[in-house]
Amino acid sequence: QVTLKESGPVLVKPTETLTLTCTVSGFSLSSARVGVSWIRQPPGKALEWLAHIFSNDDKSYSTSLKSRLTISKDTSKSQVLLTMTNMDPVDTATYYCAHISCSSATCTYYYMDVWGRGTTVTVSS
Amino acid sequence: SYELTQPPSVSVSPGNTASITCSGDKLGDKYACWYQQRPGQSPVLVIYQDDKRPSGIPERFSGSNSGNTATLTISGTQATDEADYHCQAWDSRTAVFGGGTKLTVL
Repeated sequence: QVTLKESGPVLVKPTETLTLTCTVSGFSLSSARVGVSWIRQPPGKALEWLAHIFSNDDKSYSTSLKSRLTISKDTSKSQVLLTMTNMDPVDTATYYCAHISCSSATCTYYYMDVWGRGTTVTVSS
Repeated sequence: SYELTQPPSVSVSPGNTASITCSGDKLGDKYACWYQQRPGQSPVLVIYQDDKRPSGIPERFSGSNSGNTATLTISGTQATDEADYHCQAWDSRTAVFGGGTKLTVL
């Protein structure tokens, strides 16, 4: 059974750097055609995709947030990390990580099929 | 940047069919998926690759995608289907979400 669990600070101050951890189980981050996405959702607002990383270390970032984001993985710990620099109150949100599955051997199409419960981050001084 | 547009809300009577649309430029040339999010819970994938249902998703959930519009259809809507529904597509390897639609069953 694939599960993901997000963890990180509940409260960060403006200008600080946020580091979030997604701990996965039920699959290996080194398995072919597997990936993990980070998505956030401000209170009462829409989902916003942030970044993803695949088992081959292929990464992609949100165009609008690319300069502030870094995604990485530690396969031995079954963890995917996301750092976001220069935090602002508008970054207050629930942050989710999600498992990515490929629909074909060539992974030309993929989808986020299992999500974690999310972790809530508030940015305030 | 690519955008997806959903109606903020849709209402349906129990047992009837609900249709939720998602519009984007040439969306039919991409694959769309749909997520259900009940209050206080994380999103659950209900449709991927336009019209495929993950295991465990009831057959009353179906999807289509053509032209500029993807549609999520819920047949025989039940009270438990009341939730927010989010469409999503990929554009140049970045994921784009719609604004979400609140489905009310009344």
